[in-house]
Amino acid sequence: DAGVTQSPTHLIKTRGQHVTLRCSPISGHKSVSWYQQVLGQGPQFIFQYYEKEERGRGNFPDRFSARQFPNYSSELNVNALLLGDSALYLCASSLLPGVYEQYFGPGTRLTVT
Amino acid sequence: QKEVEQNSGPLSVPEGAIASLNCTYSDRVSQSFFWYRQYSGKSPELIMSIYSNGDKEDGRFTAQLNKASQYVSLLIRDSQPSDSATYLCAVRRGGGNKLTFGTGTQLKVEL
Repeated sequence: DAGVTQSPTHLIKTRGQHVTLRCSPISGHKSVSWYQQVLGQGPQFIFQYYEKEERGRGNFPDRFSARQFPNYSSELNVNALLLGDSALYLCASSLLPGVYEQYFGPGTRLTVT
Repeated sequence: QKEVEQNSGPLSVPEGAIASLNCTYSDRVSQSFFWYRQYSGKSPELIMSIYSNGDKEDGRFTAQLNKASQYVSLLIRDSQPSDSATYLCAVRRGGGNKLTFGTGTQLKVEL
């Protein structure tokens, strides 16, 4: 079975622009979470979605938003990009929220110039 | 105090030795604990999960949990050069999906 997939792999954007990152969970998994990992740090939780509803939000500004589609795939949107948004954005998939292990996709490397 | 603390390392061990990685957490209501391995430039890979006090073994890996001391560890037996990576400790508080990570311990297994 395919694991978590994310697109694009790499992305270069300019300050002030908008970006959309995409994630498809493992087949059969219904919950998706998004994390941001800056160099030298552990991943930081951004959002969790289950059944198309936001079930958790980390300490990130309103410039960050996400949604989940009926097929359980998800998008993360970031508006008005700042240099500090440069990071590896990770999508994690779990069977259901709360109880089960989370498996990460390969990530999207975002560079803001 | 950080929610999840790990020694950043690097921890150097010779090939074939036991590597011991440690993690402490501050939130007493934490219920689930995970170890992820992350190679440079790659995403984290889940290697162990542990939910109750005691030891859990999977191949060369053993996770140990002591909730009273708020301490979780990972032992890697017969360390191989391919084990050289950053090991991330993650904690989940309750029913949600939010994982809180430490900054990771860099492990180097030397020939």
